Amino acid sequence: GDQVEQSPSALSLHEGTGSALRCNFTTTMRAVQWFQQNSRGSLINLFYLASGTKENGRLKSTFNSKESYSTLHIRDAQLEDSGTYFCAAAYTGYQNFYFGKGTSLTVIP
Amino acid sequence: EAAVTQSPRSKVAVTGGKVTLSCHQTNNHDYMYWYRQDTGHGLRLIHYSYVADSTEKGDIPDGYKASRPSQENFSLILELASLSQTAVYFCASRGTGDAEQFFGPGTRLTVL
Repeated sequence: GDQVEQSPSALSLHEGTGSALRCNFTTTMRAVQWFQQNSRGSLINLFYLASGTKENGRLKSTFNSKESYSTLHIRDAQLEDSGTYFCAAAYTGYQNFYFGKGTSLTVIP
Repeated sequence: EAAVTQSPRSKVAVTGGKVTLSCHQTNNHDYMYWYRQDTGHGLRLIHYSYVADSTEKGDIPDGYKASRPSQENFSLILELASLSQTAVYFCASRGTGDAEQFFGPGTRLTVL
């Protein structure tokens, strides 16, 4: 089965609003990484967390290893935030990452 | 920031032909990875390597080989390309320990 479950699969936001994307893990993960895939298909690094919370501009991410989830909060959404957001997580003691299937975000003017 | 480049950026191949995708990184990273992405899906790991001259199977290695001739270079080889291997292929690198991955721009492969 899938080790990383992302929700929602798709999301529409009006400019200036915000929402949260979530990844649930089926086992204990040691780290999570969040990416944005833009319209050109490039994967842009957003956050890497081994624990706690990180913030960068209008984005904030939290990783709770004990409760097996991570969230990505977007506030004041802009048109350029449109794209697909992926999380990837690695097991404790394992060097490789498992990806979720992504959340497709559309920001509406 | 990590620099990972891939070549070619796109390729059309014929069924049964041999395809080689190349990846080069300039950040002295030990780990390198090959993933494939199919439309509407996340990335799945094909092969990876943590040291030159050694490769390991990922989650979907069937139909693919990998080669790591140096720390900087990591190739993905399709000996007999098949229609089902049409996808976008991403290479990534990562340092040892608690470190994030950095991705190349991707190679769009179409097998006809």
